[in-house]
Amino acid sequence: AQKVTQAQTEISVVEKEDVTLDCVYETRDTTYYLFWYKQPPSGELVFLIRRNSFDEQNEISGRYSWNFQKSTSSFNFTITASQVVDSAVYFCALSELYNQGGKLIFGQGTELSVKP
Amino acid sequence: SQTIHQWPATLVQPVGSPLSLECTVEGTSNPNLYWYRQAAGRGLQLLFYSVGIGQISSEVPQNLSASRPQDRQFILSSKKLLLSDSGFYLCAWSAGTLSYEQYFGPGTRLTVT
Repeated sequence: AQKVTQAQTEISVVEKEDVTLDCVYETRDTTYYLFWYKQPPSGELVFLIRRNSFDEQNEISGRYSWNFQKSTSSFNFTITASQVVDSAVYFCALSELYNQGGKLIFGQGTELSVKP
Repeated sequence: SQTIHQWPATLVQPVGSPLSLECTVEGTSNPNLYWYRQAAGRGLQLLFYSVGIGQISSEVPQNLSASRPQDRQFILSSKKLLLSDSGFYLCAWSAGTLSYEQYFGPGTRLTVT
């Protein structure tokens, strides 16, 4: 069965601190994709990144970086030098390659609050 | 570029009234389309998805239904709303049946009174 766990319900940091959002997943497939989405207070989910199960290279995009480790079934997201605009709910999601309809399995989300 | 529209943005409806939420996608053909509901507490619940015109798959039995009358139009309906139908409804599209990322619309906040 597929499952995504985001154990951190809420995180609060002060601006300029680094913060890591954890994501642990379960799947029986060898080919799958992992995603991160950001949901700001406006409500719309914004796609951040997709990684496939064969690519374990870490990825960096500006202040964002992602650490994918198959050995621990984790796909963690780090924001460096956080800013108030990073305040949002962040969702991790999983999709097995041939699942019907391309469905995503979402974690429960982590609410990040960055205080000035 | 592709865009996704949802309307209305907010809606307040009495219990027992009908519902129709509309979602349209521009700039792509034959997208997969999805309806999600997000209740208080943040979890995203997939309600329906569609891989083509007239093809609807239901994930959760409830008093809601979905239809796809045109390639890029997805409608969420109810004949009689319940209090438990309140929530934030999100429409999303993706490029195909494999595991592509989904892109979400702005959402409709529904309050059933």
